[in-house]
Amino acid sequence: EPEVTQTPSHQVTQMGQEVILRCVPISNHLYFYWYRQILGQKVEFLVSFYNNEISEKSEIFDDQFSVERPDGSNFTLKIRSTKLEDSAMYFCASSVARGVNQPQHFGDGTRLSIL
Amino acid sequence: QKEVEQNSGPLSVPEGAIASLNCTYSDRGSQSFFWYRQYSGKSPELIMFIYSNGDKEDGRFTAQLNKASQYVSLLIRDSQPSDSATYLCAVNRDSSYKLIFGSGTRLLVRP
Repeated sequence: EPEVTQTPSHQVTQMGQEVILRCVPISNHLYFYWYRQILGQKVEFLVSFYNNEISEKSEIFDDQFSVERPDGSNFTLKIRSTKLEDSAMYFCASSVARGVNQPQHFGDGTRLSIL
Repeated sequence: QKEVEQNSGPLSVPEGAIASLNCTYSDRGSQSFFWYRQYSGKSPELIMFIYSNGDKEDGRFTAQLNKASQYVSLLIRDSQPSDSATYLCAVNRDSSYKLIFGSGTRLLVRP
């Protein structure tokens, strides 16, 4: 069964450094998403991406964050200057379309630890 | 008022029993409702989704939706120890791309 793949599985970074999290969505999916989950808390939406542009973003997704689809398969989340509070699991998700019967499928996540 | 509310649990049931997981939501504009299973330290795994009032069955799982009461539930029949996990309810407005998650209910199935 096709799946969303994320790399790396665990990223350790010094505070203030830039980090790029990578995702390969399911191949026929057109909508891409990033979510995060701080330890012990709920899954939170960050951003959605369609047709090479951001379609929706949350308040969390400030100027320190950016997303890109650099080629036909990868989808990346960049955090420009990491903070301690950016430590979390980051999940990439994708869906075929948007609508009432279009579920989002999640990757295994990247655990980001900021020191 | 929280957008999506779930009892944190744990909900403890014996093996073979029916587990009933509940979720309420505050936005009447919500259109799609999803149940995900999340094992500790892992990613959300889609179990099923529903968008019409009534019941939807898939194997041992039944999702129930009542839009008038703003309530969605998940029934797990013949519960197995491997079903022990946190179950996340998520909702989506048709005008929005994002899923809004509840905090999840931890289910423990006792052998």
